[in-house]
Formats: sequence, C-alpha cells, structure tokens
Amino acid sequence: QVQLVESGGGLVKPGGSLRLSCAASGFTFSDYYMSWIRQAPGKGLEWVSYISSSSSYTNYADSVKGRFTISRDNAKNSLYLQMNSLRAEDTAVYYCARVAMVQSSLDYWGQGTLVTVSS
Amino acid sequence: DIQLTQSPSFLSASVGERVTLSCRASHDIHTYLAWYQQKPGEAPRLLIYGASSLQGAVPSRFSGSGSGTEFTLTITSLQPEDSATYYCQQFSSFPNTFGQGTKLDIK
Repeated sequence: QVQLVESGGGLVKPGGSLRLSCAASGFTFSDYYMSWIRQAPGKGLEWVSYISSSSSYTNYADSVKGRFTISRDNAKNSLYLQMNSLRAEDTAVYYCARVAMVQSSLDYWGQGTLVTVSS
Repeated sequence: DIQLTQSPSFLSASVGERVTLSCRASHDIHTYLAWYQQKPGEAPRLLIYGASSLQGAVPSRFSGSGSGTEFTLTITSLQPEDSATYYCQQFSSFPNTFGQGTKLDIK
C-alpha cells in the first residue's frame, strides 16, 4: 500500500534552517510528481511546492520562494524540503503528498511533521 | 493567483440530510478542481478529482459537479463520520491554491 512518512520537523529559531524528508513506499516513486503542503495551527491548507518526477521542474508559493528548496532522490524513494531563513509564520504541520497522474490532484498524503519557528 | 472562495464557512446538519458545499474560483479553471476531507488530527483525504470523479474507496454519497468558476460538493444521506472540514483545490495554474474550507458539523 502507498505510504508517505515525513520526518525532520522540530523547534527552530527564527532565521534558522531545517530539512524535511518524506520516505515513500508502496509505489514506483520515480513515476510520480510530488508536493509539499502546510497547515498552520488552526488554519487551512497552503500549497508550498511541487517537483516533477525527474526533478526537471519545480514550483513554489510566493511565501517561500527563495527560502525553500524542494528536491528528491529517486534512488532512495525520498522527497525533501530544505527550509532556510525560517520565520514565525512558517510554523505549521508540513505534509508531503503524491500528485496523481490523472488531473494532478493529491491522492496520497503523509501524516505530517510539525515545524515550530520560535525564539 | 487564482482565488478559491468556499461557502458556507460553517455548516450544521443532521444525520440523513443532504448538504451542498460551494467553491467559487476567481478565474476559469475548467474542471481542474479537487475536494478533500480533513478530520481533526488527520491528513486530508482526496474525495473528488476532476471536479466530478469519485476517488477510489470514497462512499458514493459524495459527489462533485461544476466547471469553469462554480463547483459544488454534495453529500447525500449524511453520516456521523462525515463531520470534518472540506477543502477545494485548483490545479489549473500555479500556485495550486486551496479554498479556506467549510467545517461541517453533524448534529
């Protein structure tokens, strides 16, 4: 069965960095585009970033552009989100999700990892 | 950016009722729309893709319709387990924005 497991969240000071990982299993990871989505405490969902199956194409929300970098290692079935220059408003649960081949919706989600940016 | 506006923000209904949730796009997104269900403490779950296609294993009481700028999610014969927040998301262009959500409470 499809599984996505995020890790790497935690408490970090403003201006700091963190790298999130998402381990994928149960499907051919290299065939699928992937995304990161976040949810601030008590708030709605916010799309963060997107990467193509071969890493040739990426896209970012304006709120993280220039600070966050999405990447993947198809040999390790893993997705990453490098987060630099973190701000308090980046505090959220971060989900990785698989982009469906039909219609590009997000058909499988991980359980999320909490990132807290606070001094 | 394409804005998605969901209405109502909160809805309370009884078991067995039929409810309709709305999602309005600021620009034509054809049928590049999905609906998700999220329960407290859980990740979102895909319900509907392509505006009207039911994702596998989703009960048939859920249905989606619409195209262009107006979309609806209908739940017939509400069940207690349908209590959740429902989000729409567009895939017509980046950023793939979400609506702000509709919280559905089952009386």
